[in-house]
Amino acid sequence: NAGVTQTPKFQVLKTGQSMTLQCAQDMNHNSMYWYRQDPGMGLRLIYYSASEGTTDKGEVPNGYNVSRLNKREFSLRLESAAPSQTSVYFCASSPQGLFSGNTIYFGEGSWLTVV
Amino acid sequence: TQLLEQSPQFLSIQEGENLTVYCNSSSVFSSLQWYRQEPGEGPVLLVTVVTGGEVKKLKRLTFQFGDARKDSSLHITAAQPGDTGLYLCAGAMRAQKLVFGQGTRLTINP
Repeated sequence: NAGVTQTPKFQVLKTGQSMTLQCAQDMNHNSMYWYRQDPGMGLRLIYYSASEGTTDKGEVPNGYNVSRLNKREFSLRLESAAPSQTSVYFCASSPQGLFSGNTIYFGEGSWLTVV
Repeated sequence: TQLLEQSPQFLSIQEGENLTVYCNSSSVFSSLQWYRQEPGEGPVLLVTVVTGGEVKKLKRLTFQFGDARKDSSLHITAAQPGDTGLYLCAGAMRAQKLVFGQGTRLTINP
């Protein structure tokens, strides 16, 4: 039961470096999301993809780009990493959109440190 | 400013005690969800409440959605060490948004 799989699990970057976080789901879900989790802040939405071929900004999109490669995969790219992007990143998916209260399934998280 | 305010942010109690966690907002949500997150893992959905005034029970956990759909509470009866974790509430809004509270870190001491 893979569910939502994220890679890498841990990464240390130097300021200015770029990297891509990969995410794949095997539940045939239409919608996928990237969140970041910081202490005392809860989870904040970075970008989402309501369906294959579409992407939209969330609450905190600055400094990030995304690609919905196909129905299964949704990647998050940091073009020029900054210390403020040190966080735990979660990919998630849901059958349809969140407005109707559908269940959202999270990956295990990717711990990113920017030094 | 947090759209969803959870209180308390930290709670440490003894096994067998009861507790309530609150999730409050000035916004109306179409539904509200509660998640539990273990260290090193992603949040896992516990319950979704949709109707104002709705009450759902999950064993020793009771969830309530406010009549105006702006707030919710999680009550745990006779807490056990296995209940330890980070509890997150999340409200569903328009345009694919699921807004999270900052979380309540619960520790149940044996």
